Amino acid sequence: EAGVTQFPSHSVIEKGQTVTLRCDPISGHDNLYWYRRVMGKEIKFLLHFVKESKQDESGMPNNRFLAERTGGTYSTLKVQPAELEDSGVYFCASSQDLGSGYTFGSGTRLTVV
Amino acid sequence: DQQVKQNSPSLSVQEGRISILNCDYTNSMFDYFLWYKKYPAEGPTFLISISSIKDKNEDGRFTVFLNKSAKHLSLHIVPSQPGDSAVYFCAARQGGAQKLVFGQGTRLTINP
Repeated sequence: EAGVTQFPSHSVIEKGQTVTLRCDPISGHDNLYWYRRVMGKEIKFLLHFVKESKQDESGMPNNRFLAERTGGTYSTLKVQPAELEDSGVYFCASSQDLGSGYTFGSGTRLTVV
Repeated sequence: DQQVKQNSPSLSVQEGRISILNCDYTNSMFDYFLWYKKYPAEGPTFLISISSIKDKNEDGRFTVFLNKSAKHLSLHIVPSQPGDSAVYFCAARQGGAQKLVFGQGTRLTINP
């Protein structure tokens, strides 16, 4: 079984540019989550999809962040325009049902310069 | 307002000894707690969990203890092995919510 896959693994962009991160969850997992770890601090929740619907987006920092999940399969997280404080590691995770544990991807390290 | 805190950023333990990682929380509504282990350039992987109705859960070399009155949990690893060197995150969940609230992590180094 393939794990959670994230693209790209690293991205360096200039302030003001746009970046799109992609996450492919484990096949069959309806639940998809985005988290972020900034500057070696805690891992913070961003949002939760159930299939293509946003179940909880309470952690999204502001309207520069847009998450989508096309057809309930892969998900993208777009940051537009990127700011310096958006730098960090963005993790995606998926789970089969609400009672089961998460499987995390390896993350995308975003650096905004 | 950080609801889950790991006050030790790092911990160094000799191989074969016991490693004890600590975690404190402030939200009394948390009812499920998890420990994740993270190697460099990888995502966190689930290690062990405990429900708030229990005070101890054991899985091989790993044991998690929960003290609800003190809002404190700890992860014991015994005996510690070099492969245990990683960053350990404590996480908590509230009721039916699916989002996890993580601590800052503790970097554990096991010395030969």
